[in-house]
Amino acid sequence: EVQVVESGGGLVQPGGSLRLSCVVSGFIFSDHYMDWVRQAPGKGLEWVGRIRVKANSYTTEYAASVKGRFTISRDDSKNSLYLQMNSLRTEDTAVYYCVRDQSDSSGYYYFDYWGQGTLVTVSS
Amino acid sequence: AIQLTQTPSSLSASVGDRVSITCRASQGISTALAWFQQKPGKGPKLLIYGASRLESGVPSRFSGSGSGTDFTLTISSLQPEDFATYYCQHCNSYPLTFGQGTKLEIK
Repeated sequence: EVQVVESGGGLVQPGGSLRLSCVVSGFIFSDHYMDWVRQAPGKGLEWVGRIRVKANSYTTEYAASVKGRFTISRDDSKNSLYLQMNSLRTEDTAVYYCVRDQSDSSGYYYFDYWGQGTLVTVSS
Repeated sequence: AIQLTQTPSSLSASVGDRVSITCRASQGISTALAWFQQKPGKGPKLLIYGASRLESGVPSRFSGSGSGTDFTLTISSLQPEDFATYYCQHCNSYPLTFGQGTKLEIK
């Protein structure tokens, strides 16, 4: 059974930093691209960023709203994904989801497994 | 960035009804579109990918159609567990974006 479990959320002041973690099981983590998606309270879904696999040099993509402030990394030996968030703003307040990607025959990548999310609150 | 516009934003329907939700992309995305269902306090669940391909384990009353800029999610006969919020999402290019969501409520 695929499991995706986020941790590390909490209350942080504007300008502060926080590191989220995601531990997965039930599949070969190193074979999959992984993403972070967030959802502000009562709002819709916003893609944060993606990290590819070793064969693609672990390259990353980010949404414009977080580029330069957030960094995604992974440790395949620990089946873990990370999101380092710096220079946090009140508008970064959201539930952050760790998401597995699965490719289809056309080469597109889809979000096929989601965690339950971890809440990050940025407030003074 | 490609914008996705979902209609309607909310929808009231009864058990057994057939409902459709549309998603329009601001530019052509071929069939690089997915649909998700989200219930309160839970992470989203993938229903449809590749615009029309049913994810494993998803009931066959869910179907997707469309290509280019116009897409539709149809639920053929609503069940009590289908009342939730639905999102479309494209994966054609970066940044990946979602529609604003459609809340499906019990009439």
